[in-house]
Amino acid sequence: QVQLVESGGGVVQPGGSLRLSCAASGFTFSSYGMHWVRQAPGKGLEWVAFIRYDGSNKYYADSVKGRFTISRDNSKNTLYLQMNSLRAEDTAVYYCAKIMGIYDAFDIWGQGTMVTVSS
Amino acid sequence: AIRMTQSPSSLSASTGDRVTITCRASQGISSYLAWYQQKPGKAPKLLIYAASTLQSGVPSRFSGSGSGTDFTLTISCLQSEDFATYYCQQYYSYPQFGGGTKVEIK
Repeated sequence: QVQLVESGGGVVQPGGSLRLSCAASGFTFSSYGMHWVRQAPGKGLEWVAFIRYDGSNKYYADSVKGRFTISRDNSKNTLYLQMNSLRAEDTAVYYCAKIMGIYDAFDIWGQGTMVTVSS
Repeated sequence: AIRMTQSPSSLSASTGDRVTITCRASQGISSYLAWYQQKPGKAPKLLIYAASTLQSGVPSRFSGSGSGTDFTLTISCLQSEDFATYYCQQYYSYPQFGGGTKVEIK
């Protein structure tokens, strides 16, 4: 079935780095744009980054621009989020999500991976 | 950036009630609006896209309406499994979510 599975979360010190992965299955990964969305504990949803189906364009929220990098490997059906210069306010559950295609709503979400930035 | 304002931020209702949640965009977004349901510890689930189109598999008691800047999500007859937090999201430009509406049991 259509599925997204995130991995790579954990505890990291402020200023540290972490790379998240999102493994896709059950659909033609290379045909769809992908997003990262995060949710701080007890808070709402915050869009983080988007990459087009072929990796040609990438967009970032102001809160992560210059620190996070979204990428994808269509040969491995995997989406990535490289997070550098991490701050306490980056602590959140990180979700990857697939866009529908014709419409850009997020129709498939992963289960999320927790990132905790703490000393 | 387009701001999305949901109201109320929380509400208490009983099974069988009709519930309406509103979402206002800070500028016109045509019908580029989605609604999601999120239960504790779970990923969000797409309910409605294009402001009023029901996602496959979503019960017909959910409906959406609106265009431009003002939108509503209606649950016609609240069921026990509908107690959750609901988010609107615009995808007219860089995605932006509303602050969420928590639907609790009265």
